Amino acid sequence: AQTVTQSQPEMSVQEAETVTLSCTYDTSENNYYLFWYKQPPSRQMILVIRQEAYKQQNATENRFSVNFQKAAKSFSLKISDSQLGDTAMYFCAFMKPDGLDSNYQLIWGAGTKLIIKP
Amino acid sequence: NAGVTQTPKFRILKIGQSMTLQCTQDMNHNYMYWYRQDPGMGLKLIYYSVGAGITDKGEVPNGYNVSRSTTEDFPLRLELAAPSQTSVYFCASSYGLGLNTEAFFGQGTRLTVV
Repeated sequence: AQTVTQSQPEMSVQEAETVTLSCTYDTSENNYYLFWYKQPPSRQMILVIRQEAYKQQNATENRFSVNFQKAAKSFSLKISDSQLGDTAMYFCAFMKPDGLDSNYQLIWGAGTKLIIKP
Repeated sequence: NAGVTQTPKFRILKIGQSMTLQCTQDMNHNYMYWYRQDPGMGLKLIYYSVGAGITDKGEVPNGYNVSRSTTEDFPLRLELAAPSQTSVYFCASSYGLGLNTEAFFGQGTRLTVV
């Protein structure tokens, strides 16, 4: 069974600093998808970035980038020039590709609470 | 540009009561999902649907039922509420898989069973 582990329950950095959130996962699949979602206090779940496992190039979205290490099964999120609006829970999630037993479900980590201090 | 709309936002139920959480999406997405989020935990899948008329159990389906009579709507039914069902519930939808794997979420329903 697939599992996703986020080892940092909470992190706190000053505004404008760079912060890296860690995520490791366990799977025997070769192809899959990985995601980072942000959940601000409003509770809305917002997709931050996604990575397809067969792509070696790390995904980037403006200030957000990932360090995808497939052999190590690691998928960390780097936030550059952090802003107060980045304060939120961040969830790492895994999805198997389409298939009869994929269940079409996202497997979620427990989340990291990120606080950006002014 | 509504996206995924869930109602209600908050609800308090007494043990044994029933209720339906409503979810509708206007993006013509095939796939819809119900998740629950317990404190300090990630989301767990309750039920999902790959299209109108088709539903299937997720990881934690006990105590819940769903239906999908239309593409837009995917209500979640709690028949006999129990304290263990106190949680935040999220409805989500996605167009498909592969490159269209992004799931769009509703704003959640905070349910308390007392």
